[in-house]
Amino acid sequence: AQSVTQPDIHITVSEGASLELRCNYSYGATPYLFWYVQSPGQGLQLLLKYFSGDTLVQGIKGFEAEFKRSQSSFNLRKPSVHWSDAAEYFCAVGATSGGYQKVTFGTGTKLQVIP
Amino acid sequence: GAVVSQHPSWVICKSGTSVKIECRSLDFQATTMFWYRQFPKQSLMLMATSNEGSKATYEQGVEKDKFLINHASLTLSTLTVTSAHPEDSSFYICSASVSSGSITDTQYFGPGTRLTVL
Repeated sequence: AQSVTQPDIHITVSEGASLELRCNYSYGATPYLFWYVQSPGQGLQLLLKYFSGDTLVQGIKGFEAEFKRSQSSFNLRKPSVHWSDAAEYFCAVGATSGGYQKVTFGTGTKLQVIP
Repeated sequence: GAVVSQHPSWVICKSGTSVKIECRSLDFQATTMFWYRQFPKQSLMLMATSNEGSKATYEQGVEKDKFLINHASLTLSTLTVTSAHPEDSSFYICSASVSSGSITDTQYFGPGTRLTVL
C-alpha cells in the first residue's frame, strides 16, 4: 500500500524568503504524486501533479516540485513566499485500485509567513 | 470553474441522531465522488468512492451501515452518518472528478463539513 510522509508539521518563513516543503512517499510502482493547499474555510486546491516525464513540475501560484526517484521524494518549492501562501500543504500519492482512483495524503505541513 | 460545495458547513447534533451531508458539483458533472474524513492534525482518510448510479466502494474499516453514501445524480452525493456518536465527530470532506476514477483525473474538493456530536 502507498504511504506519504511529511516530516515537518509546522514551518515558519519570512515573507520573500524561499520555501521548501518535504515529502517522502512509499509506493511499489511509478507513483502519481500531488501537492494540495488548504486555506482555512476552503477546500483543498491542487497546486501541481506528477505522472511521468520531466521530473521538475511547475504548478500554480509560482510553486514547483521535483520528483527524485532515488530519494523517494517530491519536495515542494517556491523561490519567494508571499503572505497569502500561509496555509496547510498536503502531499499525496495516487494509485488505481480495483478500477478506481485512490489518493493517500500525508499529514500536512502548516506554513506560517511572518513579515 | 470546477467548484464543489458542501452543506452544511458545520453541524452539531445529539448522540443517536442521523446527519446528512450534501456534496454538490456546481459547474460540472461528477462521475465519481469521494468522501474523506480528517481528524485534527491528521491526514485526510478516504472513506469511500462512489460512482453515479452505483453502490459506493468503502475503504477497509469503514462501516457501510453507519456511513450511508448516495450518489443519485451527476451533481450530488450525500453522506448520512446514522446514529451518530461523539467518536464520529470529525471534519468530512468530499471531492469530485469528471471522469471514471482514473488516477490522472483531477479531484476537486469541497470546503468540508465540521460535525460535532454531543
